[in-house]
Amino acid sequence: QQKVQQSPESLTVSEGAMASLNCTFSDGTSNNFRWYRQHSAKGLEVLVSIFSDGEKEEGRFTAHLNRANLHVSLHIREPQPSDSAVYLCAVSTGTGNYKYVFGAGTRLKVIA
Amino acid sequence: GPKVLQIPSHQIIDMGQMVTLNCDPVSNHLYFYWYKQILGQQMEFLVNFYNGKVMEKSKLFKDQFSVERPDGSYFTLKIQPTALEDSAVYFCASSLQQDTQYFGPGTRLLVL
Repeated sequence: QQKVQQSPESLTVSEGAMASLNCTFSDGTSNNFRWYRQHSAKGLEVLVSIFSDGEKEEGRFTAHLNRANLHVSLHIREPQPSDSAVYLCAVSTGTGNYKYVFGAGTRLKVIA
Repeated sequence: GPKVLQIPSHQIIDMGQMVTLNCDPVSNHLYFYWYKQILGQQMEFLVNFYNGKVMEKSKLFKDQFSVERPDGSYFTLKIQPTALEDSAVYFCASSLQQDTQYFGPGTRLLVL
């Protein structure tokens, strides 16, 4: 059964500094990985989806996937205070890749 | 991006009563999901629904739970009867195919 863990639990960075978030998973056969973020009392906003090893960039957000190391990361370039939120790693599992297993999240705070 | 709405945002009910959580998915989406997040814990998959049928459900999807989407209206999660351990935030999601899921803001359910 797929298990997903995120680190760190919380992270504070200064505005403009790179923020790096980590996600490890237990089953390397999954091939769908997504990063979401959640602002309080709002829905999850999809940031970037990645399906093969390597890098995928969406604006200021870049995901790196290394399935051999069971690791996917998210890097946020030039973070702003409005990027303060909980960031969730989601790994698709199941025959149709339709079931997401989520990590517990990293709470990011960006200070001006 | 595509928006999923959930009604109500909060619900407080007495144990043993029935509750229906409503989800207004993205208009052209075909796959629908419910996830449950107990306070302080990870979001967990409950069920997914396609073409009028449950495709897969987790062990959290108890016999007291049911889902339906009559005539393309709201996608609903009904709990009857409710139990104390059903207190959680319930997130609805939808997707066009078995790809990126778009999430609503959640319904906060408190069972007393």
